[in-house]
Amino acid sequence: DGGITQSPKYLFRKEGQNVTLSCEQNLNHDAMYWYRQDPGQGLRLIYYSQIVNDFQKGDIAEGYSVSREKKESFPLTVTSAQKNPTAFYLCASSPLLDWAYNEQFFGPGTRLTVL
Amino acid sequence: GNSVTQMEGPVTLSEEAFLTINCTYTATGYPSLFWYVQYPGEGLQLLLKATKADDKGSNKGFEATYRKETTSFHLEKGSVQVSDSAVYFCALKPGDAGGTSYGKLTFGQGTILTVHP
Repeated sequence: DGGITQSPKYLFRKEGQNVTLSCEQNLNHDAMYWYRQDPGQGLRLIYYSQIVNDFQKGDIAEGYSVSREKKESFPLTVTSAQKNPTAFYLCASSPLLDWAYNEQFFGPGTRLTVL
Repeated sequence: GNSVTQMEGPVTLSEEAFLTINCTYTATGYPSLFWYVQYPGEGLQLLLKATKADDKGSNKGFEATYRKETTSFHLEKGSVQVSDSAVYFCALKPGDAGGTSYGKLTFGQGTILTVHP
């Protein structure tokens, strides 16, 4: 089955710690995205990547970092600089062909809670 | 810039009632429009989409028509079920090539739908 996997499903972090959220896709998509979801708000874009070894900041990149060493993987690190990291994090991917019309496919999400 | 505005929720309906969730957008050019659904504790699933003016997207009894003259993409369903209870997101992808908007989705804030038996 093709799809996007995110791990872990739930993650607890102490203040001052960095944590890394995993995102893997086997859809052979070029583009990958990280979103943050807070209650009552839409999804906000953190980072995105169109090709391996290249990525761009989204609307709320401060306190986050990413890497794209393989086409299928796009891990997100939430650093201690992120002031309010408790949220639901969603990873997505899409093909670049006909990019203006294609939907993004989403993973199941990781819920991060800072203790 | 691009933006999406959805009707405020939550929306509470009885089973078999008619559903409308309003969505209007602001964008340059000719964006593609999407409705996504999110069930509790899960990621988003594409419900339907439309890529040009007057297109109608449809899936699982839901419909939405791309109205460029009113910049709207309202979601409708004739008879809702308890299983339709979820959060619904309207989103757009700009049609302009390149630049910082390349492939990015802009989402509305989401509308919570609860359907009672």
